[in-house]
Amino acid sequence: GESVGLHLPTLSVQEGDNSIINCAYSNSASDYFIWYKQESGKGPQFIIDIRSNMDKRQGQRVTVLLNKTVKHLSLQIAATQPGDSAVYFCAENIITGGYNKLIFGAGTRLAVHP
Amino acid sequence: KAGVTQTPRYLIKTRGQQVTLSCSPISGHRSVSWYQQTPGQGLQFLFEYFSETQRNKGNFPGRFSGRQFSNSRSEMNVSTLELGDSALYLCASSLGGVGNQPQHFGDGTRLSIL
Repeated sequence: GESVGLHLPTLSVQEGDNSIINCAYSNSASDYFIWYKQESGKGPQFIIDIRSNMDKRQGQRVTVLLNKTVKHLSLQIAATQPGDSAVYFCAENIITGGYNKLIFGAGTRLAVHP
Repeated sequence: KAGVTQTPRYLIKTRGQQVTLSCSPISGHRSVSWYQQTPGQGLQFLFEYFSETQRNKGNFPGRFSGRQFSNSRSEMNVSTLELGDSALYLCASSLGGVGNQPQHFGDGTRLSIL
């Protein structure tokens, strides 16, 4: 499939290492955040979400950290595997006109080397 | 449970034509959102439908329109196609709407304009 982004920042890691993907969001009023993974030729796949009343949430091999003071979100992947290679997007929920919409970041490409 | 289904997967059109894309959400999901994904602009929100009503709209010209049927299936229409409309069009569904739970994406329709 085609690349989802030709000039995305790339994080290269060795298989088995931990990965940290960072995201800066724009709206201090954002109340809900989601991380997605997108593999070539596929749509974004939900990984984990977090609400603004939390600063950490853990899933299977993944942890999301939220720092509202500096409007920063990070995704930590433990024991990174080749199957984790993909583009990762953060998304923030903002309210416009009384309704919610998701604003996506530009994405980070994760490359896992054996 | 079947995921979000988008048809067709690939489409080639010429400038000036119009196109209709289809999305079947996950069973029971009432919210359907559409996104445009390009290498240059990333993932951009087009609009959201909930119970057959458009709830929110992104910053796209009126050539982009959509609708939702009583069974929650949705269609997106683009009229008077331009070269810049070449993109991956993604549909996402959620149970209660954007901002409440994660949206689940289909694999998209790749639209190429010649």
